[in-house]
Amino acid sequence: AQSVTQLGSHVSVSEGALVLLRCNYSSSVPPYLFWYVQYPNQGLQLLLKYTTGATLVKGINGFEAEFKKSETSFHLTKPSAHMSDAAEYFCAVSGPRLTFGEGTQLTVNP
Amino acid sequence: DTGVSQNPRHKITKRGQNVTFRCDPISEHNRLYWYRQTLGQGPEFLTYFQNEAQLEKSRLLSDRFSAERPKGSFSTLEIQRTEQGDSAMYLCASHGRKGQPIFGQGTRLTVV
Repeated sequence: AQSVTQLGSHVSVSEGALVLLRCNYSSSVPPYLFWYVQYPNQGLQLLLKYTTGATLVKGINGFEAEFKKSETSFHLTKPSAHMSDAAEYFCAVSGPRLTFGEGTQLTVNP
Repeated sequence: DTGVSQNPRHKITKRGQNVTFRCDPISEHNRLYWYRQTLGQGPEFLTYFQNEAQLEKSRLLSDRFSAERPKGSFSTLEIQRTEQGDSAMYLCASHGRKGQPIFGQGTRLTVV
C-alpha cells in the first residue's frame, strides 16, 4: 500500500521568500514521486517527478525537490516565491496509479 | 494532439438524473485513469484502463458508477441516479509507456 502525507494544508510566504512544501511518502516498492500544481477550476499540471537516478530533481517555474529515502521525504522548494506561484500543490506517489496527498494551499503575500 | 481533453467542463444536474462524462486521452497513451476530487481534498483514484481493459476499480466506485473505454481510445464515466455527494471535480489522466500521467482540465459536476 502507498500513501502520501503533506504537512501543512496552508502555507503563506512573502513574495521573494523561500517556498518549502513538505511531503512524506510510504511505499512498499521503490517509489516514483511527483509534484503537481493546480490552479482554481483547472486540472493538474506536472511540476517535476522523481523516478530513479539523481535525487535532486529540477522542475518547471524554478521549483525543485529532493528525494531522501532515509527520511521517506520529497519536499518541494523554490528559492524565491512569485505571486503567480499561489495555487494548490499536490504530492503523489505512483505504482501503477497515483496516490495523492491532501494538498497544500500556497499563498504569496506582496 | 496537444493534451487530454475532457467534456463537458461543467455539468449541473438534478438529483436522480444520469450524467456521462467523456475523456479523450493523448493518442499514443495506453493507460487512462479517472479520479474524483472534492473541495479541499486531493484527487482520489476511481478506476484505470490499460487499452480497453479495465484493470482496477476503487471501492469508491459504487454500482451507480460505470466506466468504459471502447477500443482503447476515449473513455466515458457514467453516474446513474446522481446524489448530492457526487458533486466533485472528475479528472481524467492518460499515461504512455514512458513519461508521466498527463491530466485533463476536469469536469466539474454539481448535483442540485
